[in-house]
Amino acid sequence: GENVEQHPSTLSVQEGDSAVIKCTYSDSASNYFPWYKQELGKGPQLIIDIRSNVGEKKDQRIAVTLNKTAKHFSLHITETQPEDSAVYFCAASTSGTYKYIFGTGTRLKVLA
Amino acid sequence: SAVISQKPSRDICQRGTSLTIQCQVDSQVTMMFWYRQQPGQSLTLIATANQGSEATYESGFVIDKFPISRPNLTFSTLTVSNMSPEDSSIYLCSVEKSGGETQYFGPGTRLLVL
Repeated sequence: GENVEQHPSTLSVQEGDSAVIKCTYSDSASNYFPWYKQELGKGPQLIIDIRSNVGEKKDQRIAVTLNKTAKHFSLHITETQPEDSAVYFCAASTSGTYKYIFGTGTRLKVLA
Repeated sequence: SAVISQKPSRDICQRGTSLTIQCQVDSQVTMMFWYRQQPGQSLTLIATANQGSEATYESGFVIDKFPISRPNLTFSTLTVSNMSPEDSSIYLCSVEKSGGETQYFGPGTRLLVL
């Protein structure tokens, strides 16, 4: 069946360093890839998304890259801050199905 | 985006009882979804709440255990029936607005079953 692998499961970085989280999807029909940040005690919050007709998208300190051939996409956070500490989930979806396949999550800890 | 509220935010229940979780959105939305997030785990879709018709359940989830209502375009409920400790999870509703692919999540309901 369809699945999304996400690595690493945990990631610790020093404040100011960059963090990279990678996801690989199996369904070649997937064409929409959102990223969510979930802080402790809260619901997932959309932070950035990318569609398959684009290779990269940036929003301030956050960027996402997509390699359709290899079927993987990555989240890049630059100049990390302690408030970036959270669990990050990637997801893959196919237009018209309304169904997200989520990755297993990455717990990011930014050390001050 | 959308502003989504869930009630209750958390609850502790006894096994064998049922709990109904409410999800309210600040605007009309086409699609509403219910997810389960077990402790330390990812999100698993339970069902799609369809307005005016029965919910569509994912494999492994059944209507008798998780009855869902969607009386209008801004509100849905999920009931967790005949609860056991294995039902202890975070239950999340999400919405997708008309013409979009993006899902927005509510704050979640944290359920502990003793």
